[in-house]
Amino acid sequence: NAGVTQTPKFQVLKTGQSMTLQCAQDMNHEYMSWYRQDPGMGLRLIHYSVGAGITDQGEVPNGYNVSRSTTEDFPLRLLSAAPSQTSVYFCASSFQTGRDEKLFFGSGTQLSVL
Amino acid sequence: GNSVTQMEGPVTLSEEAFLTINCTYTATGYPSLFWYVQYPGEGLQLLLKATKADDKGSNKGFEATYRKETTSFHLEKGSVQVSDSAVYFCALSDLGTDKLIFGTGTRLQVFP
Repeated sequence: NAGVTQTPKFQVLKTGQSMTLQCAQDMNHEYMSWYRQDPGMGLRLIHYSVGAGITDQGEVPNGYNVSRSTTEDFPLRLLSAAPSQTSVYFCASSFQTGRDEKLFFGSGTQLSVL
Repeated sequence: GNSVTQMEGPVTLSEEAFLTINCTYTATGYPSLFWYVQYPGEGLQLLLKATKADDKGSNKGFEATYRKETTSFHLEKGSVQVSDSAVYFCALSDLGTDKLIFGTGTRLQVFP
């Protein structure tokens, strides 16, 4: 059971570089999301998707793009990396959107921007 | 707006000690409440939840009761183990958006 798979686990970028964080789930979940985790701030929602072809902004979307061409994949793109984007990024999914839905998380990507 | 406040950590305990991690919330209406746990090097996973007032969520010896009168959802365990060492996040579901709002997390360290 793979669940939610994120790659890479670690990444170091220079300011201004671009990259894509990959996220895939094999549970046929409709809802997928990206969070960033920063010390003393908990998890903050970046972008989310309620189904293939549908994406929307979360709490902290600036500097990030997403797309959802398939149910399984939800990549997060950093267009021009900045030191403020140094963080741990988590992808999460659930069967559908709803107040009681259990979120399944990937193991995270630790990103450092120099 | 809706928010979750957790006690700051780290919480350091000896094995078999009693654990309480405090969580209070601010929200309109009656959101669902959750505790997620993050073990070292892993993503978060749901530990327990409660969906209405006076509900008690429980799992793996952990318990939390949804207290509307005190707007709290404190996490308790009667006897912690070294394997319980992790970061614990309290969260609520925003009634308007169904999105989860997380607290800042509380690190628990249990020593033998």
